[in-house]
Amino acid sequence: DIQMTQSPSSLSASVGDRVTITCRASQTIGSYLHWYQQKPGKAPKFLIYAASSLQSGVPSRFSGSGSGTVFTLTISSLQPEDFATYYCQQSYNTPLTFGGGTKVEIK
Amino acid sequence: QVQLVQSGAELKNPGASVKVSCKASGYTFTSYTMHWVRQAPGQRLEWMGWINAGNGDTRFSQKFQTRITITRDTSATTVYMELSSLRSEDTAVYYCARDLGRVELVADYWGQGTLVTVSS
Repeated sequence: DIQMTQSPSSLSASVGDRVTITCRASQTIGSYLHWYQQKPGKAPKFLIYAASSLQSGVPSRFSGSGSGTVFTLTISSLQPEDFATYYCQQSYNTPLTFGGGTKVEIK
Repeated sequence: QVQLVQSGAELKNPGASVKVSCKASGYTFTSYTMHWVRQAPGQRLEWMGWINAGNGDTRFSQKFQTRITITRDTSATTVYMELSSLRSEDTAVYYCARDLGRVELVADYWGQGTLVTVSS
């Protein structure tokens, strides 16, 4: 199985800050990497497809980059509604696997 | 608009089975694959398997291969996930999630989740 490792596991930031989350795959996965946002008690929300394609309706302050084994999710200017846990997921092969999550908290 | 509405919370004894339903609406049911993903308390998301709602083909994580059944009822636009031989470690929120396409292996819409608690 492909192992997905996210860093950091949590971070504290202020509204307006630029935030970067890293996701590493245990083997190369091309651009088969996707990002989700999850708020407490809610289902995940799909943010970014294929490493860098923003889903319809997702604010442009979110962006993704990377290929191979290292990927990043960046929030250019953190907003109050962005405080949540973010997960990466690979679709290079099955079983589909997710990262351990990065919890973005208010400083 | 796409909606996935799941059945309610379940409390099961160890060794029992649970069947969770996912009613889909707002799109052509048979044109998309549906995934099942679970999340134990405080844990990461864990993919369990998918079903091609058009032809009924399924694919499972090896971890659940012997215990999981995923079916669909096209007339009811509903997908079902049954997990057998439950143990305490199966306590989790179970989500159905629609694939972005036929088999893109990424989920764009999610159900609200169904809490399954396994306890005697």
